[in-house]
Amino acid sequence: GDSVTQMEGPVTLSEEAFLTINCTYTATGYPSLFWYVQYPGEGLQLLLKATKADDKGSNKGFEATYRKETTSFHLEKGSVQVSDSAVYFCALRRSGGSNYKLTFGKGTLLTVNP
Amino acid sequence: GAVVSQHPSWVICKSGTSVKIECRSLDFQATTMFWYRQFPKQSLMLMATSNEGSKATYEQGVEKDKFLINHASLTLSTLTVTSAHPEDSSFYICSARGGTTPRGTDTQYFGPGTRLTVL
Repeated sequence: GDSVTQMEGPVTLSEEAFLTINCTYTATGYPSLFWYVQYPGEGLQLLLKATKADDKGSNKGFEATYRKETTSFHLEKGSVQVSDSAVYFCALRRSGGSNYKLTFGKGTLLTVNP
Repeated sequence: GAVVSQHPSWVICKSGTSVKIECRSLDFQATTMFWYRQFPKQSLMLMATSNEGSKATYEQGVEKDKFLINHASLTLSTLTVTSAHPEDSSFYICSARGGTTPRGTDTQYFGPGTRLTVL
C-alpha cells in the first residue's frame, strides 16, 4: 500500500539556518505530493504541493521538488525564522479517479530558536 | 477563506458514554469530509470519508458501529464515538474539500482537532 516516510524529529535550529526535512514515499502510479504545516493550536494547512515529476512546489520561502527517480519530496528553506516553528507533514494522494484520500507521514517537529 | 471548525476542541467523558464531535466548513460547501485519528507522535490515520447525503466509507479496521459518521449537509459532518472506552482517547481531526475555495476543489482544509479523553 501507499506509505510516506519522513525524517524523525524533533529538529532544532537557530534562526536563519538552512532547513531540510526528508520525505520519501511508496505508491503505485504517479501520486501528487504535499507538505502540510501545523502551527501550535491550529489545524493542518497546505504549505505546498507538486503533482508530477520534476515539479517544484514553493510557498513562504519553502521549496520541495518531486523526484520520481528517488521517490522523494524533501522540504527545504534557506533561512528559517522563529515563526516557522511547527510540525511538518509530508503526504501523498494517489492519482486518478475521485480518490482524494491522503496518506501522511508521521510529522516532524521543527523548533527555531532566536 | 476555506475555514473548517471543530467542536468541541476538547472533551473528557466517562467510559461507556457517547461523544459527538462536529466538523463545519464555515465559508464553503464541503462535498466531501474526512475524519482522521492521530496518536501521539504518530501520523494522521484516515478513519472514514463521507459525502453529503450518503453513507460514509470506512477504512479497513475502523468499526462502523463504534464511530458513527453523519454528513447531513454540505457544511456539517459529525463523528459520534459510541460507548467510548479509554483506548478511544485520541486526537480526532476532520478535513473538508469541495466547492469554490482558494486552492481549488481538490485541496483538503483541516479543522483544528478535538482532544478526546475517556476516563
